[in-house]
Amino acid sequence: AQSVTQPDIHITVSEGASLELRCNYSYGATPYLFWYVQSPGQGLQLLLKYFSGDTLVQGIKGFEAEFKRSQSSFNLRKPSVHWSDAAEYFCAVAVSGNTGKLIFGQGTTLQVKP
Amino acid sequence: SAVISQKPSRDICQRGTSLTIQCQVDSQVTMMFWYRQQPGQSLTLIATANQGSEATYESGFVIDKFPISRPNLTFSTLTVSNMSPEDSSIYLCSAWFTEAFFGQGTRLTVV
Repeated sequence: AQSVTQPDIHITVSEGASLELRCNYSYGATPYLFWYVQSPGQGLQLLLKYFSGDTLVQGIKGFEAEFKRSQSSFNLRKPSVHWSDAAEYFCAVAVSGNTGKLIFGQGTTLQVKP
Repeated sequence: SAVISQKPSRDICQRGTSLTIQCQVDSQVTMMFWYRQQPGQSLTLIATANQGSEATYESGFVIDKFPISRPNLTFSTLTVSNMSPEDSSIYLCSAWFTEAFFGQGTRLTVV
C-alpha cells in the first residue's frame, strides 16, 4: 500500500538559516508528489508538485524540492527561512496517478527562532 | 486554479446531533474528496464523491456516519451524524484540477 513518511515531527531553525524537510514515499509506479503548507487556522496551500520531468521542482515562497527515485524521497528545501514560514508542512502522494486521492504524511511542524 | 468555499467555517455541536458541511467549487469538477484532520494529526481521506454515483468510502469510514451528497459538478455535502466528542476535527473538502485544491476547512467541536 502507498504511504508517506515524514521522519521529523518538529524542526526548529533560526531565521535566515537553510531548511530541509524530509519526505519518503512508498509507491510502485511513478508518483505524483506534493508539498502543502498549513498555517494555524488556515487551509492547505500547495507549495509545489512533481509529476514528471525535471526532478528539481521550484515552488512558491522560495521553496524547492528534489525528487530522488533511488531514495524514494521528495525533500523540501529553502535556502533562507523567514519567520512567516513557521507552519505545518505536509508531504503527500496521489494514489493511482491523477485521481486526486491523496495520502498525506504525518506533517512536520516548523518553528522559526528570531 | 480553483476556489473552494466551505461552510460553516466552524461550529460547536452537542453530542448526538448531526452537522452538514457544504463545499462549493467555482468550476465543474468530476471528483471531489472529503478529508478529516483530527487534532494535531495529518489528513485522512474519508471518501471520494463523484457526481451521479454513490460516494466511495475509505476503510474505517461508513456511509451511515458520514453520508455524502453530490448533486451536481460544483457542489457536495458531508454530514457528520450522531456526533461524539471523538468527531471533533477539521473537515476539508478537495477538488482535483491537475492538482488538489482545498477548502479552508470546517473546524468542528463536539461537546
